[in-house]
Amino acid sequence: DSGVTQTPKHLITATGQRVTLRCSPRSGDLSVYWYQQSLDQGLQFLIQYYNGEERAKGNILERFSAQQFPDLHSELNLSSLELGDSALYFCASSGALSSTQYFGPGTRLTVL
Amino acid sequence: DAKTTQPPSMDCAEGRAANLPCNHSTISGNEYVYWYRQIHSQGPQYIIHGLKNNETNEMASLIITEDRKSSTLILPHATLRDTAVYYCIARQANSGYALNFGKGTSLLVTP
Repeated sequence: DSGVTQTPKHLITATGQRVTLRCSPRSGDLSVYWYQQSLDQGLQFLIQYYNGEERAKGNILERFSAQQFPDLHSELNLSSLELGDSALYFCASSGALSSTQYFGPGTRLTVL
Repeated sequence: DAKTTQPPSMDCAEGRAANLPCNHSTISGNEYVYWYRQIHSQGPQYIIHGLKNNETNEMASLIITEDRKSSTLILPHATLRDTAVYYCIARQANSGYALNFGKGTSLLVTP
C-alpha cells in the first residue's frame, strides 16, 4: 500500500460525458501528478500540482483539467469524453521536491 | 533526464536471481538511477534508487558500475509475483518533476 488513494476504481461512461477522478496523496506530500496509460501504451504524464498550484503540464488535452485543493487532494476532470480517452489514470504523490513518487492504484475509465 | 536503454523482455525461473540491466551512458554526475515496476494494470511501484554506491533494500539490490554508465537491478529470489514491467529512470536529485517512463523490461518469472 503506497498510501495514495484514488476513487473510483472503475468508471464506465458514454461519449460526450464528463467525469471527475479523485486522488488523495500520502500524508504530508505536497506534489500530485496525474498520468494516463492507454491500452498497450506507456505511462504519459498529464499534469502536476504542488501545494495547490499547477507546476508542470505534459500531454494533457484541453478537454482535461485538474486542481489541487487546500487539503492537498486533487481532482482530474475529463470532459467531452471520446472513445480514445479510455485508459488507466494514475495519480502519484511526492514530498516537497523529492524525486521519489508513490503511485495510487489507478482509475480505469471506459468510454462507450 | 538521461536516456536509458533496457532489453524489452527477460525470463527468469522462480527462485533464481533476476538480473535486469539498464544502460545510461549519458548520465550526468548529479543524476540518480531509479527503478520502478508495474505489475499488470496496477500503479507503478517504487523499488530502489542510487547514485554511485550499490544499494540494497528489502525488495532488491542495485549495482551501479564505477563509470555509472550502466546498472543492474537484482531480485535475489524471484517469485511469480515479481512478473512485471521494470522501468529504469535516470533523474536529478530532488527533481520534483514527472517521471519519464520508457518501455521498460517485461520480466516473466516462470515456475
